[in-house]
Amino acid sequence: GENVEQHPSTLSVQEGDSAVIKCTYSDSASNYFPWYKQELGKRPQLIIDIRSNVGEKKDQRIAVTLNKTAKHFSLHITETQPEDSAVYFCAASVLGGGSNYKLTFGKGTLLTVNP
Amino acid sequence: ETGVTQTPRHLVMGMTNKKSLKCEQHLGHNAMYWYKQSAKKPLELMFVYSLEERVENNSVPSRFSPECPNSSHLFLHLHTLQPEDSALYLCASSQGQGGEEQYFGPGTRLTVT
Repeated sequence: GENVEQHPSTLSVQEGDSAVIKCTYSDSASNYFPWYKQELGKRPQLIIDIRSNVGEKKDQRIAVTLNKTAKHFSLHITETQPEDSAVYFCAASVLGGGSNYKLTFGKGTLLTVNP
Repeated sequence: ETGVTQTPRHLVMGMTNKKSLKCEQHLGHNAMYWYKQSAKKPLELMFVYSLEERVENNSVPSRFSPECPNSSHLFLHLHTLQPEDSALYLCASSQGQGGEEQYFGPGTRLTVT
């Protein structure tokens, strides 16, 4: 089955700096890579996702890159703000995978943005 | 915030109690999931239901028993739990049957005493 590794487990940055979180996956069939943000005491929510037919996707201060050959993908947050502080989870799955209904999650990264 | 709801939000139960967690989705989705989230651990998938049929049981102890009476409702029946079962239990739903975006509920914070 799929195995997703996520690094680092904790990340502390100064407000205004950039933050990068990296994930690797094992199943070459995976073609959908979402990122979830979970603020303290709240539910995980999708913030951005990427499919395997593109290498990069941006949404304002957030971007995700995908390297299918190396089987890794990364989340980039620029101009970080204190409200970006949260746990971020990467995940991988096979879209339309039939019997494979699973999103396999990484272990999460606790991002702290210091004012 | 009302797409996936869970009740109760907090639950304290003894090891000999029987309780149930409830999840309801108002998104017209076909698949529903139970996850366990413990401190400093990744999200652990417990059960998957697609069109009310259980399609995955991820080696979960029998003291956890899921029920999906229809595509909008999902229950997790609990009995004779252990203290290590204390965690946040998250319900999620998705549109189809193949690993796409999942919408999470707010979770039930369970404490087993």
